[in-house]
Amino acid sequence: QSALTQPASVSGSPGQSITISCTGTNSDVGGYNYVSWYQQHPGRAPKLMIYDVSNRPSGVSNRFSGSKFGNTASLTISGLQAEDEADYYCSSYASSSTSVVFGGGTKLTVL
Amino acid sequence: QLQLQESGPGLVKPSETLSLTCTAPGGSISSSSYYWAWIRQPPGKGLEWIGNIYYSGSTYYNPSLKSRVTISVDTSKNQFSLKLTSVTAADTAVYYCARRGVRGWDFDLWGRGTLVTVSS
Repeated sequence: QSALTQPASVSGSPGQSITISCTGTNSDVGGYNYVSWYQQHPGRAPKLMIYDVSNRPSGVSNRFSGSKFGNTASLTISGLQAEDEADYYCSSYASSSTSVVFGGGTKLTVL
Repeated sequence: QLQLQESGPGLVKPSETLSLTCTAPGGSISSSSYYWAWIRQPPGKGLEWIGNIYYSGSTYYNPSLKSRVTISVDTSKNQFSLKLTSVTAADTAVYYCARRGVRGWDFDLWGRGTLVTVSS
């Protein structure tokens, strides 16, 4: 069982927006602004899409945005494109063990 | 451009020690701006952080693996390494090395990963 909870799957049509949630506790997601999001295509390494809750690394499309409310962080992808179909993982700093915890991953299907 | 490259045996027998190395061609492991990490992913499953090391040798480990894990760094060879002892089939995974900035807890650069299978 993963430390952070994500929905197993989400789907959307091209052009639509989707949101993936990531729920933790006061000791991780809720306590610190160290939530990150990763995109992983099959057979590839994860790619950082969002860091520190809502910041985008250089080169990441502004269609990707992050937010947090309480113990739940969210990744929103607007203007869905076929290339967005992938697995998405959230992660957070966890103070209880000075470690990093990941969510179980969410499979995004673009219909 | 900095890259990370994992290397090591793809097959390890149960109860033995898994050993992997990550090299950083095009960059320096000795940078004071980064930690260096190992992360694994069992086939068809999610990501699991194993631990981080700083160029000075200071480490953080996943509590669930701490008793079996050692991460070390060799700045003269510009590489860092992972050792996982007493492996079982549950340790079968793709093992990634990655980079983490000292001011955050995100991994902005990843190796391509290497599959390690634990089997007799």
